[in-house]
Amino acid sequence: TQLLEQSPQFLSIQEGENLTVYCNSSSVFSSLQWYRQEPGEGPVLLVTVVTGGEVKKLKRLTFQFGDARKDSSLHITAAQPGDTGLYLCAVYNYGQNFVFGPGTRLSVLP
Amino acid sequence: KAGVTQTPRYLIKTRGQQVTLSCSPISGHRSVSWYQQTPGQGLQFLFEYFSETQRNKGNFPGRFSGRQFSNSRSEMNVSTLELGDSALYLCASSLGTGGGAFFGQGTRLTVV
Repeated sequence: TQLLEQSPQFLSIQEGENLTVYCNSSSVFSSLQWYRQEPGEGPVLLVTVVTGGEVKKLKRLTFQFGDARKDSSLHITAAQPGDTGLYLCAVYNYGQNFVFGPGTRLSVLP
Repeated sequence: KAGVTQTPRYLIKTRGQQVTLSCSPISGHRSVSWYQQTPGQGLQFLFEYFSETQRNKGNFPGRFSGRQFSNSRSEMNVSTLELGDSALYLCASSLGTGGGAFFGQGTRLTVV
């Protein structure tokens, strides 16, 4: 059983559409990170959320940490082709270091 | 501030050989973690070094080993390469307290 589950696994949308991807777990975490990875490159840290209910915005990206600190969502407004990539959520689990979810592969078509 | 540097970017090795990958973390970061990424398994944790000591270890065979030097640079070694070791190997630098990891561009290893 994976510590983190992400949905959907794949998402293909047209430029200008909005989308939300999810990261879920049955465990409670002190913090959670979101990363974006482009093909052949390492993941890039987008945000860290630490407080239950916290909302952080990064341009057109909105990140929310669930009230119970077990889940998180990433909403993208007016998606652009440059948003294409693999979106990963991760938590820091003492003894296992950073644990990553399987990711959501997003494709934004022009 | 310079980012995380991994060398080499690409590597092709023959089954049975060994390989050493290098990672230079962000200045001031004492934690270096290594991950293996494959299409089927996603990002799998190999091990973490903190101040020259292995602090955490993932579920990989003993063929995978690493070390960290006093300047925080780290190396990862894989001996007796198998075809299944073909993957993107990523190094992540952090403060070691869970605030987020900063990755290098990775080393793409192909075993033939």
